[in-house]
Amino acid sequence: AQSVSQHNHHVILSEAASLELGCNYSYGGTVNLFWYVQYPGQHLQLLLKYFSGDPLVKGIKGFEAEFIKSKFSFNLRKPSVQWSDTAEYFCAVNKGGSYIPTFGRGTSLIVHP
Amino acid sequence: GAGVSQSPSNKVTEKGKDVELRCDPISGHTALYWYRQSLGQGLEFLIYFQGNSAPDKSGLPSDRFSAERTGGSVSTLTIQRTQQEDSAVYLCASSSGQGSEKLFFGSGTQLSVL
Repeated sequence: AQSVSQHNHHVILSEAASLELGCNYSYGGTVNLFWYVQYPGQHLQLLLKYFSGDPLVKGIKGFEAEFIKSKFSFNLRKPSVQWSDTAEYFCAVNKGGSYIPTFGRGTSLIVHP
Repeated sequence: GAGVSQSPSNKVTEKGKDVELRCDPISGHTALYWYRQSLGQGLEFLIYFQGNSAPDKSGLPSDRFSAERTGGSVSTLTIQRTQQEDSAVYLCASSSGQGSEKLFFGSGTQLSVL
């Protein structure tokens, strides 16, 4: 069965620190990859996605993620976090041809001002 | 509608009672999903609809759980004889059904079984 692993469950940073959240998946074929974010009191929303082309994808609010096929990874990065980035971050993976994303457990990010 | 709407937003029930959770997806979205979010457990897939059909219901945890979708729109998730372990946030999402497209999530129903 396909699984998605997010290694960091809780991350605490100060503003202006750099961020990298890990995401690994177990499926070896074609995949579509997503990062979703859930801000406090809000619903889940898409941050960025990859399904083909340039493996470095840019999303909203200065976030980016790099697909490294050989490592089965899709890590999320931001060079300088802000207090407003405090949220829960979820990595999700679709097998190619599947309509159903499998989500990781999520990473809770707290950014101190 | 403008977004995915779920009701109720909160539901407190007694163990053994039945509950119905409702999802109104974005108009025109053919795909509809139910997920369950438990504390520290991430999102657990429950069921997927394409139109009114459910080609994948493999995530339903037991036969106490069922779901239907009518008119290619509104979906209802029913939990019979609720148990305390059913307590969670139940999330509904919809998409255009193109596979690689993003999901649009509702705000969820917080279910508490006492």
